[in-house]
Amino acid sequence: EAQVTQNPRYLITVTGKKLTVTCSQNMNHEYMSWYRQDPGLGLRQIYYSMNVEVTDKGDVPEGYKVSRKEKRNFPLILESPSPNQTSLYFCASSQDLGSYEQYFGPGTRLTVT
Amino acid sequence: GQNIDQPTEMTATEGAIVQINCTYQTSGFNGLFWYQQHAGEAPTFLSYNVLDGLEEKGRFSSFLSRSKGYSYLLLKELQMKDSASYLCAVEGNTPLVFGKGTRLSVIA
Repeated sequence: EAQVTQNPRYLITVTGKKLTVTCSQNMNHEYMSWYRQDPGLGLRQIYYSMNVEVTDKGDVPEGYKVSRKEKRNFPLILESPSPNQTSLYFCASSQDLGSYEQYFGPGTRLTVT
Repeated sequence: GQNIDQPTEMTATEGAIVQINCTYQTSGFNGLFWYQQHAGEAPTFLSYNVLDGLEEKGRFSSFLSRSKGYSYLLLKELQMKDSASYLCAVEGNTPLVFGKGTRLSVIA
């Protein structure tokens, strides 16, 4: 089954404790991205990747890091989480930019206390 | 800059027709997407428009006017399960930019 998986689905952590949210897709997609979704603000892009070893900042990259060492994986790293990073996070992938629909993972609800 | 506007909330009656509008001002234009998102779930793809006109897909249709920076999503024969948020997203010179979404409530 074609899918995007994220782990963990739910995470409660404390300020400053480094964490990684994993994202994996099994569709051999070139393009992957991370979004955060907050009430009243909609989906905002954090980082995206056009291919292996190619990443770029989205609209809200501060406080986040990503890597794309393999085509299928695109982890999101919070080196020192802060309470303003409490949010719902979605990973997405698509065959490429342009006319291709994005497939979203199930989401990770992160709470930073 | 990028700006995408949609109404925040709409309510419609089961069996009726509803139109959700989206206006956009973006740097460049390569296409416009509509996604559906049920509460607590991931967005799922509904439609894609790159040329002016109407694209019909079952109960859902999407319209685009590039000269006006305007699109709408038309939902016919509304069902209770259509209660969800509908997200307009534009791909321009930067990767996909989403509007804040329109929360649609379908009532009996």
